[in-house]
Amino acid sequence: KQEVTQIPAALSVPEGENLVLNCSFTDSAIYNLQWFRQDPGKGLTSLLLIQSSQREQTSGRLNASLDKSSGRSTLYIAASQPGDSATYLCAVYGNNRLAFGKGNQVVVIP
Amino acid sequence: DTGVSQDPRHKITKRGQNVTFRCDPISEHNRLYWYRQTLGQGPEFLTYFQNEAQLEKSRLLSDRFSAERPKGSFSTLEIQRTEQGDSAMYLCASSLQGTSQETQYFGPGTRLLVL
Repeated sequence: KQEVTQIPAALSVPEGENLVLNCSFTDSAIYNLQWFRQDPGKGLTSLLLIQSSQREQTSGRLNASLDKSSGRSTLYIAASQPGDSATYLCAVYGNNRLAFGKGNQVVVIP
Repeated sequence: DTGVSQDPRHKITKRGQNVTFRCDPISEHNRLYWYRQTLGQGPEFLTYFQNEAQLEKSRLLSDRFSAERPKGSFSTLEIQRTEQGDSAMYLCASSLQGTSQETQYFGPGTRLLVL
């Protein structure tokens, strides 16, 4: 069974600092990896998707890397803003489903 | 493209009652997924459809749960004889299988509270 772990569970950073969120997974037989954002009480918004053959993806201030062999991904958010406060979920796709971590709860302090 | 929609957004029910949720996927998407999320946890897979066929069900989906996608478009998830442990956010997602990225797009969820 795929196990996805996200560290740290929660973090607070001052506005302007870079954010680094880590995700690890136990089974490297994945099709892709997605990072999602979830605001309190809301659904999931897809941020980035990395195919298993790719090493990284970038979108604006967001950059995600993937090391499939070691079962790790990192999401970087540059120059954080208060509007980045949310829970960030890592999910790996394999065996016809997404397996999620518990999320990184982020607070950006103005 | 109006995205994935779910109805209702919130449902409060008494233990023992039946509830039904609806999901409307993105129109051209052939895959539809149901997930359940409890407080402080990531979503957990429940079941998925390819067109109208339900291809897999998780062990989390007890016999009180049933899902359908009768014409390969919208889907319903019914919970019979609800229990307090069924309280959760029920999320629906859709994707277009066979594309290079196969991104899953999620709806806003239905939050269920069983009293």
